Amino acid sequence: EVQLLESGGGLVQPGGSLRISCAASGFTFSSYAMSWVRQAPGKGLEWVSTISGSGGDTYNADSVKGRFTISRDNSKNTLYLQMNSLRAEDTAVYYCAKESDSSGWYGVDYWGQGTLVTVSS
Amino acid sequence: QSVLTQPPSASGTPGQRVTISCSGSSSNIGSNYVYWYQQLPGTAPKLLIYRNNQRPSGVPDRFSGSKSGTSASLAISGLRSEDEADYYCTTWDDSLSGRVFGGGTKLTVL
Repeated sequence: EVQLLESGGGLVQPGGSLRISCAASGFTFSSYAMSWVRQAPGKGLEWVSTISGSGGDTYNADSVKGRFTISRDNSKNTLYLQMNSLRAEDTAVYYCAKESDSSGWYGVDYWGQGTLVTVSS
Repeated sequence: QSVLTQPPSASGTPGQRVTISCSGSSSNIGSNYVYWYQQLPGTAPKLLIYRNNQRPSGVPDRFSGSKSGTSASLAISGLRSEDEADYYCTTWDDSLSGRVFGGGTKLTVL
């Protein structure tokens, strides 16, 4: 059974940094791309970042380019999102998502339960 | 403003058939697979349709997907009260080199 368990969310001040993690199990982690998708309160889904199975290719939404970095440790079956220069508009539930292929170009087939990141003074 | 356009709301009575549209362009829907998700209140999204028209195991055959050109649709037949949820379409966009989502459609079962 595929399981994705996010952690690391919380309250951070504007301009601050936070790293969230996603522990994966139930599938061969290195064979699949992984993504972060966020949802601001009362809003729709917004794609944030995708990383290929090998970690060699990363893709980022324009809204987070230069501020967020997606990475993975295939030896630990863990996905990360390093978030710097956080803004109030980054406040959202961040979902860890397993892609259905190694590139990330097809689509997500499993979602974690999400971790809430709140940016506020 | 989402790259993929969905109606913000849809409704139907129990037993009816409803369709939700998702409109894009040649760089996204026109050249990549479309996926659909259902999000019940307070929960994570759940995969409903993958690769345009394929249903994962466990998803009732009341749910079906289709794609034509730069548009896609999700159809729900035999509408039930538990289908009341938000529905999202998504695909990859070759021009943006990123994933794009529709704005979501809130389905109400009257």
